[in-house]
This record gives sequence, C-alpha cells and structure tokens, in this order.
Amino acid sequence: DIVMTQSPDSLPVSLGERATITCKSSQTVLYSSQNKHFLAWYQQKPGQPPKLLIYSASTRESGVPDRFSGSGSGTDFTLTITSLQAEDVAVYYCQQYADVPWTFGQGTKVEIK
Amino acid sequence: EVKVVESGGGLVQPGGSLRLSCVASGFSFSTSEMNWVRQAPGRGLEWVAHITTSGRRLYYADSVRGRFTISRDDSKNSLYLQMDSLRAEDTGVYYCGRYLDLWGQGTLVTVSS
Repeated sequence: DIVMTQSPDSLPVSLGERATITCKSSQTVLYSSQNKHFLAWYQQKPGQPPKLLIYSASTRESGVPDRFSGSGSGTDFTLTITSLQAEDVAVYYCQQYADVPWTFGQGTKVEIK
Repeated sequence: EVKVVESGGGLVQPGGSLRLSCVASGFSFSTSEMNWVRQAPGRGLEWVAHITTSGRRLYYADSVRGRFTISRDDSKNSLYLQMDSLRAEDTGVYYCGRYLDLWGQGTLVTVSS
C-alpha cells in the first residue's frame, strides 16, 4: 500500500498569512499511462463531508478560490493557501488514487494563530 | 441539483449486518465511478471500496475485504454497501462519493452491544 504522510499535524497561521502543508507518498503516484500525478487535496470542516480542492496534484477544482494551489511531483507534494481566511479553518487531507487501495494522509489541522 | 444522499446507517451488534444506500441525482450516475469512504469518530478519512462503471470492477480496502460488498443499480441511480460480520472498528460515518469530487453528508454506523 502507498503510505501518505502529511506534515505538520497542526498548523497555526495568522489571518492573511501563507499556510503550507506537505504530503509525502511512500512511492510514486505518477499514473504513467496519463502522465499525471494522481494526488488530491481535500478540505473538511467539522460535521461536513470532505470537499475536493485539488486533483492531479495541481488542478484546482471548479469554484475553489485561487488562494488554494497544489504543486509537486514524484513523491513530494504541497498544498498552499496564500492568504489565510477565517473560513479556511479546517482539516486538510491529501489522497493518492494512483493505486488500490486509495490512501489518505493523516490530516493537517489549520487554525488561526 | 447535483448530489448524493446516503441512508441505512444505525446501531448494530457486533457480527451483525447493515446495508447502506446512496441515491444520486443531477448527473449521469451510470457513467460515474463511485466510492465509499468512512471516518471513525475523531479520526481521519479511510477509503473503503470502489466500483467502476457497469460494476465491471470492484476494489476493497484490506480491512473490509470479504465482509463488505459494493454494488450499484444504474436503473435506480443507486449505490450500495452490504456490510456483514460487523466489528466495533467499523463504527463511523460512511460517505458515498462520485469518484473524487462529490460527497454526501454521510450516514452513521455504530457497531456496539
């Protein structure tokens, strides 16, 4: 199984400041037949289902604010929130869907400093 | 409105069975790959099962293989999860999802005597 490891577990950030979350996979998540990294990022607020933010490592889902961006390749990926807003307080998960079983990172809790 | 709605959760004794349902609307269900993902209380997300279009291929997490069965009825725009031999560690909110991008509010499964 591909193990996904996020850091940090908790991230206090001041409003308007940058938040950066990293996600490392135990093996590549490059789906070679499509030459895309099958890596997604989700936001989950309490009592709500996960919300897709980013797929294919760097493609923003429709309707997601452009302060959210994804980058990375191979086994190392990053989710960046360029200017943290109060509504961005949530737990963020990375997920690989390149191979079964699909696996999630343990989550990173973003809070206001 | 594009949505999926889960139902069928509840309290069940260890060793018991439960069948979850998910009804889709507002999109082409028959051409969509579907998933079940769960979340234990206070824990992270765990992928459970995946079904391709027409039910051609089924995939399961090791933790549920042999006990859970994913299926679909395209004529009813419905996805199912038959859960047998339930254990305490199966307790959690079960989310139905269209591939990556659309998730329901979830249904709570509690396995306890």
